[in-house]
Order: sequence, then structure tokens, then C-alpha cells
Amino acid sequence: KQEVTQIPAALSVPEGENLVLNCSFTDSAIYNLQWFRQDPGKGLTSLLLIQSSQREQTSGRLNASLDKSSGRSTLYIAASQPGDSATYLCAVRNTGNQFYFGTGTSLTVIP
Amino acid sequence: NAGVTQTPKFRVLKTGQSMTLLCAQDMNHEYMYWYRQDPGMGLRLIHYSVGEGTTAKGEVPDGYNVSRLKKQNFLLGLESAAPSQTSVYFCASSSYPGTSYNEQFFGPGTRLTVL
Repeated sequence: KQEVTQIPAALSVPEGENLVLNCSFTDSAIYNLQWFRQDPGKGLTSLLLIQSSQREQTSGRLNASLDKSSGRSTLYIAASQPGDSATYLCAVRNTGNQFYFGTGTSLTVIP
Repeated sequence: NAGVTQTPKFRVLKTGQSMTLLCAQDMNHEYMYWYRQDPGMGLRLIHYSVGEGTTAKGEVPDGYNVSRLKKQNFLLGLESAAPSQTSVYFCASSSYPGTSYNEQFFGPGTRLTVL
């Protein structure tokens, strides 16, 4: 069974700092990996999707990398802003049809 | 284009009552999913569907049933609600894995409390 871990569980940084969120998974036979953002009491918003054949994806201040062989992905957020405060979740899609989620990293950006 | 919608947004049930949660998507996606989200547990897959008329069990299917009679709708049923089913339920959809950008899109969630 795929296990997805996100460390740290919570992170607090001053505004303007660059930061890295980590995601690790136990089974490298994945189809893709997706990063989400979840605001309190809300649904999940997709940030970036990396296919298993890709190494990274970028969107604005966000950059996600994937090292499938080591079972790791990172989400890099540049020049953090208070509006980035949220919980960030990663999910891996196995070569079957199921997605497995980590428990998330709660990010607080202090003005 | 509404994306993924869920009905209702909130519901309180008594133990033993039944209810159906409705999920609808207007993106012509083949795949649809039902998850539950509990504190400290993350999102866990309940059931999913890979096309109209198909359903399959996920990680935590017990106590739930699903139906996909129309491509755009995916229903989650609780026949006899239990307090352990108190949770936030999310529906999601995605295109076929062979497409170029098969990300999941999520609905806003249904907060269910079983007393």
C-alpha cells in the first residue's frame, strides 16, 4: 500500500522568505504526483501536476520537483506572501486508478 | 463552467438515518472519486468510478454505497449512518490517465455530522 508522508506538519515563516515543502512516497510505481492547496473550510485547489516522466513543473512563484526513484517531491515557494498561508497537500496516483494523499503541511506566512 | 459541485454543503443526521450525497461535474471527465477527510488522517478514498455505470472500492468503502448512472453525476449513499462517519466528504473528478493533463478537480465538500 502506498504511504505518503509530508514533513513538516506545520511551518511558520516571515513574509518574503523562500521555502520548501517535502513529500515522500513509498512506492515509486506512480503515474503522477499532484500538489494542492487547501484553505480552512474549503476544498482543494490544484497547484501543479507532475507526470512520472517529468522532473519538475513551474507555475508563477511555485516550482515542484519529482525524483521518482527516491520517492520524493518538493514544492518550492519563492518570495512567500501572507496569502500563501494554507495547508499544502501532495497526492500520488498509482498506475492503478487510486490517489493517495499525505496529511499536509500547514503553512503560515507572517507579515 | 461550474467545475465540480456537491450537494448538500452541510448535514446533520441521527445514528441509523440514511442520506445521499450528490456530486456533479461539467468537464466531461471519465473518472470520479469520493473521499473523506478526517483530522490527522488526510484524505482517504471511499469509492471511485472510471466511467458511466462503473464503480470500484477504495481504501475505506465499508458503510457506503455509490452509483454512477450518468457520466456527470456520482452519488454517495449512507444506508445507516454511524457516528464514525462524521467527516468532511469531498468529490473529485479527472480525465482518463492517458490524457495529457489528468489532474484531479475537487468540489467544495460536504460537512456531515452523525449524532
